[in-house]
Amino acid sequence: KAGVTQTPRYLIKTRGQQVTLSCSPISGHRSVSWYQQTPGQGLQFLFEYFSETQRNKGNFPGRFSGRQFSNSRSEMNVSTLELGDSALYLCASSKGGTHGTDTQYFGPGTRLTVL
Amino acid sequence: TQLLEQSPQFLSIQEGENLTVYCNSSSVFSSLQWYRQEPGEGPVLLVTVVTGGEVKKLKRLTFQFGDARKDSSLHITAAQPGDTGLYLCAGAAYGGSQGNLIFGKGTKLSVKP
Repeated sequence: KAGVTQTPRYLIKTRGQQVTLSCSPISGHRSVSWYQQTPGQGLQFLFEYFSETQRNKGNFPGRFSGRQFSNSRSEMNVSTLELGDSALYLCASSKGGTHGTDTQYFGPGTRLTVL
Repeated sequence: TQLLEQSPQFLSIQEGENLTVYCNSSSVFSSLQWYRQEPGEGPVLLVTVVTGGEVKKLKRLTFQFGDARKDSSLHITAAQPGDTGLYLCAGAAYGGSQGNLIFGKGTKLSVKP
């Protein structure tokens, strides 16, 4: 079956702009999580959506927001971009269970560069 | 705040050597997962360990979950250049969804032929 897809793969923006990233989960998966990956901080959890509702939220400022649609596709938005927002943004999908064997599958990521 | 300390941060070895990567925390996790990530790609799940003391083997890779569910290790036997990549451990908190994982900062492994 098709894996997790993310668009666009690369993005260059300037400070102050806003950006929207998209994630299409594996068919049948209801949970979509977003992570930010930087060399200094590693992978950090942004938020998780399950059945169109935000289920968990990480410790990021309100400039980072997301949503999930009825077909489980998800978007994340970053407003008023800062240089420090340059990172690889990863999306992961899963069935959404709370058992330890609920596997997350990651997409290839969107590489965002803020100039 | 739950943290996962991963060590070593970097590892450069020759083909055929053995190595162990450690993942430690003061917190208890309901499960712990190991991923491998290659440049330009997202992490790929290698294994999930759920039971304290559990040992899982995947060919030349052996994964162990500590008895207290606070730590884990990844041992690679006779490393090969194809094992090169970033190895990440990630833990899921008790009572939470698996969609909220806490990641270690990773171990960058380079295996030279």
